[in-house]
Amino acid sequence: NAGVMQNPRHLVRRRGQEARLRCSPMKGHSHVYWYRQLPEEGLKFMVYLQKENIIDESGMPKERFSAEFPKEGPSILRIQQVVRGDSAAYFCASSQGTTNGEQYFGPGTRLTVT
Amino acid sequence: GENVEQHPSTLSVQEGDSAVIKCTYSDSASNYFPWYKQELGKRPQLIIDIRSNVGEKKDQRIAVTLNKTAKHFSLHITETQPEDSAVYFCAEAGEYGNKLVFGAGTILRVKS
Repeated sequence: NAGVMQNPRHLVRRRGQEARLRCSPMKGHSHVYWYRQLPEEGLKFMVYLQKENIIDESGMPKERFSAEFPKEGPSILRIQQVVRGDSAAYFCASSQGTTNGEQYFGPGTRLTVT
Repeated sequence: GENVEQHPSTLSVQEGDSAVIKCTYSDSASNYFPWYKQELGKRPQLIIDIRSNVGEKKDQRIAVTLNKTAKHFSLHITETQPEDSAVYFCAEAGEYGNKLVFGAGTILRVKS
């Protein structure tokens, strides 16, 4: 029973480039969450999605960041025109979907902007 | 807005001693409180959680207590071992239970 999968595990981008982070939830999970962890800090909620719907994006920066969870395929977190401040670990979590369901995290994507 | 305060930020204990980490939250509508353990460079790992219909939950050496009136909850680790060394995060799930608000984390060091 595979857990939450994320790829790539490490991503290096130059300032101004685009970063695409992918997340496949656990089998049987239909709810996906993205969190960002800055170096030596806690996790901050970014966005919560169900298939083909963004449910809560209250933690997403207003510009350059977008997320989707299509009917087929993984959830994608997209960061356009990356800046050095975007360097962080981006974690995806998934849950079965019931209210207050346990969230299980993927291994994260460590984004470095040079 | 939602806020979770976590104390202490670092905790050093001798192997075999107990460790206690405390969190307070502001959203009185919250009903779900998980704890995560994160080792260096690894994913946050769910170790125990508690829902608001109980005051205490135990799983082997770890236990969590919840006081909804005072809006605080605590993680207790007994008979600590070196492999317990990690960063521990508390969280609450907000009014709708769909997003986790995390505390700032506690670095636990167990000295052998």
